[in-house]
Amino acid sequence: EAGVAQSPRYKIIEKRQSVAFWCNPISGHATLYWYQQILGQGPKLLIQFQNNGVVDDSQLPKDRFSAERLKGVDSTLKIQPAKLEDSAVYLCASSLESLAGGYNEQFFGPGTRLTVL
Amino acid sequence: AQSVTQPDIHITVSEGASLELRCNYSYGATPYLFWYVQSPGQGLQLLLKYFSGDTLVQGIKGFEAEFKRSQSSFNLRKPSVHWSDAAEYFCAVGAMDSNYQLIWGAGTKLIIKP
Repeated sequence: EAGVAQSPRYKIIEKRQSVAFWCNPISGHATLYWYQQILGQGPKLLIQFQNNGVVDDSQLPKDRFSAERLKGVDSTLKIQPAKLEDSAVYLCASSLESLAGGYNEQFFGPGTRLTVL
Repeated sequence: AQSVTQPDIHITVSEGASLELRCNYSYGATPYLFWYVQSPGQGLQLLLKYFSGDTLVQGIKGFEAEFKRSQSSFNLRKPSVHWSDAAEYFCAVGAMDSNYQLIWGAGTKLIIKP
């Protein structure tokens, strides 16, 4: 079974430029998460999708970050314009759809390491 | 406020020695507790989780963790580490009433001495 795919793996940009990250979840996984992991910290949830709807985006800096999952499968996270403090690893995870409040394990992709100069 | 604390930024252990990584949490509801491992260039992988029942849980790769409610702790242990265990380990807490959204500790980097 293929895992969560992310691209690119690395990206270097200058501040004020824009950047986009792509994630393809495990086939059949309805729930998709984007996390930001700053060096020396644990992951921080940016946005959670259930199919193509947003479940939670309360920690997404909406003035510069946007995310979409138009067909309920793959997803794109965009930053525009980037700031120095956006340098981090951006992780995508997916899980099966939660039914009746049940827990489903999150499976993580390898991440995209973003460096903003 | 909900939080997870991993007091040790990094730990160095000799190969074959035992390991204990500490995790303390602060969470109002009944917590669900997780340990993940992150190897260089790889995604986070779930080692084990605690929801209820037996407070000593077994995970993959020979790891176990013990939930101690009175100490708000969920420490990870392994009786004998291997060089391949060198990685970063994250403790996380979640709850059913928040869709199991995870709050993460800052991680502990495990270094293995030959």
